[in-house]
Amino acid sequence: GAVVSQHPSRVICKSGTSVKIECRSLDFQATTMFWYRQFPKQSLMLMATSNEGSKATYEQGVEKDKFLINHASLTLSTLTVTSAHPEDSSFYICSARSQGAVNSPLHFGNGTRLTVT
Amino acid sequence: SQQGEEDPQALSIQEGENATMNCSYKTSINNLQWYRQNSGRGLVHLILIRSNEREKHSGRLRVTLDTSKKSSSLLITASRAADTASYFCATDAGGSYIPTFGRGTSLIVHP
Repeated sequence: GAVVSQHPSRVICKSGTSVKIECRSLDFQATTMFWYRQFPKQSLMLMATSNEGSKATYEQGVEKDKFLINHASLTLSTLTVTSAHPEDSSFYICSARSQGAVNSPLHFGNGTRLTVT
Repeated sequence: SQQGEEDPQALSIQEGENATMNCSYKTSINNLQWYRQNSGRGLVHLILIRSNEREKHSGRLRVTLDTSKKSSSLLITASRAADTASYFCATDAGGSYIPTFGRGTSLIVHP
């Protein structure tokens, strides 16, 4: 089956630093990847849609200058949390959909637990 | 934006019993999907049911969809302790095909 690898699984950083999270589709090409944020016992909140070769589409209320998304290839999207603060601590999950399959299930990475101290 | 809401929020049962979770949504959909999430992990896709389908089966899973009531149910038969997880429904609508998720049902199956 389709595999999405997300790295790192956990990261602890100091306030003010930046953190990069990678999301890779290992055995398929993903034109579109999605980045979600999840708070404890809550739903997944869509942050942005990452499109290969173009700018990401951010959801309302998500600061694009704070959460930088780059989708440089059909198998890699990155989310950079810039100047992280404790309130950015959360569980970030990426997902990908096979190229050309708009009406198909999403394949998820295992998430990244970000803790900002 | 479109969002499904699961019910109940939490469910605790004994191994061997059946577990039923429900999902309600607000507007017309293209399809509805059920996902499972183990604690601290990503989501795993279980079943996708299209708007013109009424029922689908996969192993011990049975999903129904009632578009007139804008609701779906996920039934897990003969539950096992390993079924302990959170279960989410996701719906997408219109031309975006971007799934939005409900808050999930936390299922605990006691051995």
